Amino acid sequence: DTGVSQNPRHKITKRGQNVTFRCDPISEHNRLYWYRQTLGQGPEFLTYFQNEAQLEKSRLLSDRFSAERPKGSFSTLEIQRTEQGDSAMYLCAAGSITGGLRSPLHFGNGTRLTVT
Amino acid sequence: AQTVTQSQPEMSVQEAETVTLSCTYDTSESDYYLFWYKQPPSRQMILVIRQEAYKQQNATENRFSVNFQKAAKSFSLKISDSQLGDAAMYFCAYRSLFNSGTASKLTFGTGTRLQVTL
Repeated sequence: DTGVSQNPRHKITKRGQNVTFRCDPISEHNRLYWYRQTLGQGPEFLTYFQNEAQLEKSRLLSDRFSAERPKGSFSTLEIQRTEQGDSAMYLCAAGSITGGLRSPLHFGNGTRLTVT
Repeated sequence: AQTVTQSQPEMSVQEAETVTLSCTYDTSESDYYLFWYKQPPSRQMILVIRQEAYKQQNATENRFSVNFQKAAKSFSLKISDSQLGDAAMYFCAYRSLFNSGTASKLTFGTGTRLQVTL
C-alpha cells in the first residue's frame, strides 16, 4: 500500500459526457501529480500541485481538463465533453517535500477511463 | 527537454536467471535522479531502485542493481535470481534537480514488459 488511493478504478462513459476522478494521498504528501498513461506508453505528466496550489500544467492538459486540490488534501481531475482520445489510465502520484527531490513518488492504482 | 528511451519493448527471462533491461536518456543537466519503477498487472507503480547522478557508485537493492554510465547517458537495470513475481512492466524515469516550474516531475520511458518463465 503506497498510501495513495484513486477512485473509481474503472470508468466507462459515452463521448461528450463529463467525468471526475479522485485521488486521496496521505496527509504528509504535499506534492501531488496527475499523469496519463495510454496503452504501450509510459505515464505522461499532466499537472502538479504543491499543497493546494496548482503550480504547473502540461500542454497535454487541454481546456476540457481541470484539476483541483482544495485544502491541499485530496485532488480531483475532471474531463468535460469527453472524447475517445481521452481513453487512458489516469495515475495520481504523491510525495513529500521533506527530503527534497530524493523523496520518492508514490503512485495510486489509477483510474482506467474508456470513452465509447 | 529531457527524454528517456527504452528500446526493448519485451524481455523474457527464466526463473533464477539474470536479465538486464536497458535505458538511455538525453539531458543537458549535470545533476538529476534516475529511477526504475515496476508496474505489475495490478497497475500500481512501485519504485524499484533510485540513482543520484552525482554518485559514481551504482545503486543496489537486494536482487536489483543498476549500471549507471553517466557519460554514455545509460542506466540499465539488472535483476538477479529472477522470480515469477518480477514479471511486470518496468519503466525507467528521469527527474531533474532544477526546479523548473517547481514540479520536478518524472519523465518516463515507454517501458519494457518482462516475462519470467519456469
